[in-house]
Amino acid sequence: EVQLVESGGGLVKPGGSLRLSCAASGFTFSSYSMNWVRQAPGKGLEWVSSISSSSSYIYYADSVKGRFTISRANAKNSLYLQMNSLRAEDTAVYYCARGGGVSKRYAFDIWGQGTMVTVSS
Amino acid sequence: EIVLTQSPGTLSLSPGERATLSCRASQSVSSSYLAWYQQKPGQAPRILIYGASSRATGIPDRFSGSGSGTDFTLTISRLEPEDFAVYYCQQYGSSSFTFGPGTKVDIK
Repeated sequence: EVQLVESGGGLVKPGGSLRLSCAASGFTFSSYSMNWVRQAPGKGLEWVSSISSSSSYIYYADSVKGRFTISRANAKNSLYLQMNSLRAEDTAVYYCARGGGVSKRYAFDIWGQGTMVTVSS
Repeated sequence: EIVLTQSPGTLSLSPGERATLSCRASQSVSSSYLAWYQQKPGQAPRILIYGASSRATGIPDRFSGSGSGTDFTLTISRLEPEDFAVYYCQQYGSSSFTFGPGTKVDIK
């Protein structure tokens, strides 16, 4: 079964740091780009960051650029998001999502169940 | 950055009715890079349509996508009880992705 499982969320104070992980299974992880998408409580979806299959290309939303770092470990079938200098407005459910590649026109075809990040003092 | 606008914000319909959801872009979007997602409360989003009009694996044929340029449409031909949810469009371009604000389809 193709699956993505996020972990690492929790409560953190403003200015703090947190590292999210996403464990992939059921597919050849190293062949796919990966993405992070977040959703603030009661709000819509916001793209956060993307990384290509070999980590050659990395992109960030302006709202997190310079504070968040996406990375992956293909040998461990894992995706990461290092979040520094966290703000209240970063409070959200964070989803990892698989990029569908050229065949799916880069749409996000597999999603994890999400992990909640709360930034509050 | 391309901004996506979805209308209406909420669509109140009865099971069996047709739903027409609109997604408009602030500038032209390649049809290849326009997708639609469905999200139910407490669940992760699920892909419905990619490339503006291609149904993802396992998606019923009552869901269809169309459009080009700046105007795109998701149509649900006959609403089933499980179709009441929030729908988002998404575009990819210039090394970034953007989502529309969503359309909620609820039961009238």
